[in-house]
Amino acid sequence: RKEVEQDPGPFNVPEGATVAFNCTYSNSASQSFFWYRQDCRKEPKLLMSVYSSGNEDGRFTAQLNRASQYISLLIRDSKLSDSATYLCVVTSSGGSYIPTFGRGTSLIVHP
Amino acid sequence: DGGITQSPKYLFRKEGQNVTLSCEQNLNHDAMYWYRQDPGQGLRLIYYSQIVNDFQKGDIAEGYSVSREKKESFPLTVTSAQKNPTAFYLCASSIELSLLGNYGYTFGSGTRLTVV
Repeated sequence: RKEVEQDPGPFNVPEGATVAFNCTYSNSASQSFFWYRQDCRKEPKLLMSVYSSGNEDGRFTAQLNRASQYISLLIRDSKLSDSATYLCVVTSSGGSYIPTFGRGTSLIVHP
Repeated sequence: DGGITQSPKYLFRKEGQNVTLSCEQNLNHDAMYWYRQDPGQGLRLIYYSQIVNDFQKGDIAEGYSVSREKKESFPLTVTSAQKNPTAFYLCASSIELSLLGNYGYTFGSGTRLTVV
């Protein structure tokens, strides 16, 4: 089983739609969680950290479910500019804090 | 403005040739990393360094070498021993490894390496 798994998509949604992605992780000792956004042929950029209590940043909401070992990203009122690949990143304790990246979920928002 | 700079943006390598990718940061970050990304794949860790003059192998270090002589610089050499080097290479930095969970990474804009 891969350490961090994401549905590669693509998720194809119209403008204004609400879309949600999940990311599952296998290491129960995982401590820190992030969502990164990567545009085509560009570097990943931090979108938001994921806190235990859940957090929101404008149209984006991230949540953590430790019991089921997944994190989620909800995008409301999708814009064309939201089209990108969304990478899930998980960091575990145990002497190494090196994050593990998921392969990403592709989102395409169309007019 | 502080940031992390990778050069060149595009690089072409002949078979059997070593090439070096540059990564410089002025963020005063302690930790630096090199990742490789292949189409449709996630990022795979090549090497990382937590402090000057120290570095550790990642998951796919074979065929690569690094140095960390200065805090600001972490060059990656792709040697002829790397049989499939064509990929997108990303350099990243963070405040320090143990704080990574709080602050995340900053990435450079990447270098696309192609074997010709």
